[in-house]
This record gives sequence, structure tokens and C-alpha cells, in this order.
Amino acid sequence: SQTIHQWPATLVQPVGSPLSLECTVEGTSNPNLYWYRQAAGRGLQLLFYSVGIGQISSEVPQNLSASRPQDRQFILSSKKLLLSDSGFYLCALSVSLSNQPQHFGDGTRLSIL
Amino acid sequence: QKEVEQNSGPLSVPEGAIASLNCTYSDRGSQSFFWYRQYSGKSPELIMFIYSNGDKEDGRFTAQLNKASQYVSLLIRDSQPSDSATYLCAVSRAAGNKLTFGGGTRVLVKP
Repeated sequence: SQTIHQWPATLVQPVGSPLSLECTVEGTSNPNLYWYRQAAGRGLQLLFYSVGIGQISSEVPQNLSASRPQDRQFILSSKKLLLSDSGFYLCALSVSLSNQPQHFGDGTRLSIL
Repeated sequence: QKEVEQNSGPLSVPEGAIASLNCTYSDRGSQSFFWYRQYSGKSPELIMFIYSNGDKEDGRFTAQLNKASQYVSLLIRDSQPSDSATYLCAVSRAAGNKLTFGGGTRVLVKP
């Protein structure tokens, strides 16, 4: 079965600091990977998705970027965090070329001070 | 108009009753439909998915899809206090593709 690892679980960062959140998966090859953000009291917003190494699609213009350096690794980054970047960041995967739904990791709760 | 709409609730149901949640979507090209449960502070957990018109049952959960009317619903039978959570409706053009989520319906099951 597939497993999604996200860390850290909780992060507190000052405004203007950089960010790097990592998501790694096990149990599958060539997965589709996704980054979502859930702001407090709001729904899930898709930020980025990737269908393979080096392939990144951005869904909304923002202060964040994503990279996929390895098949099972997906990284979310920022050079300078804004207060509006606070939220619950979730990595998800789906098995490419299948009819199976997405599953989520445990998420990282990011607070910007 | 939001792409996927849900009543935010809270939907309060007594223990043992049926909880009925609705979701409407705007993209007629949507082919895959999902219900996720999210406990407070936790990540979403998939509970049901449906791809064809009609009903699909899994234990106490039943998903209903009507593509012509562009709505999908979730019934929770014999509701338990442990069912108290936010239920997220999500749609996509294909099962493995990116999801568009509704804002979620908060359900409270009272003993």
C-alpha cells in the first residue's frame, strides 16, 4: 500500500523567512503528486501538481514554488513567507494511469508570525 | 458561482438518525466524485467515491450521483458521535486527476 510522509507536522516561521516542506511517498512508482493548502475555516485549494520528475503545474499565482527532484519526492518552497501563507499544507498522491482516488498525507500546519 | 458547492452547516443529527449531505458542481465534464471526511486538525480521509449515475453503498454510507442535475449526495445511516466531522465533496475530470473541493459540511451527531 502507498504511504505518504510529510514533515514537519507543525512549523512556526517569522514573516520573510524561507520555507521548505517535504513530501515523500512509498509503495508506488511514478505517482501523481499534489500540494494543497487549507486556510483556517476554509476548503482545500490545489497549489501544485506533478505527473513526473521535473514536471510541475501551478494552479494559482502565489508566493510559493514546488519541485520534484525525484520520483517519490515533492517539495514546496518559498523564499520569503507572507502572513497569508499560514495554513494546513497537505501532500496527496494518486496512482497514474489508474482509476483510483487521491490519498492525503498527515499534513504540515504552518503558522507565520 | 463556486465550482463545487456545499452547505457549510453545521448539520445536527441525533444519534442513530440518517445524515444527508448534498453537493453540486458546475463542470459538466466532471466524471469522478469523492467524499472525504476530515476530523478537526487532521487530514482528509477518503470514505466514498462514485463514477456512475445512481447509488453506491459501503457499510453505513451511500453515495448518490445524478450527472444530469449535477449533484452528488452522501447519506450516513445510523449516525454515530464518531461521525461528527467535516465532510468534503470533491470532483475531477478523471479519478487520478486533480480535485476541486467544496467548502465542506460540518456534521454534528448528538448522543
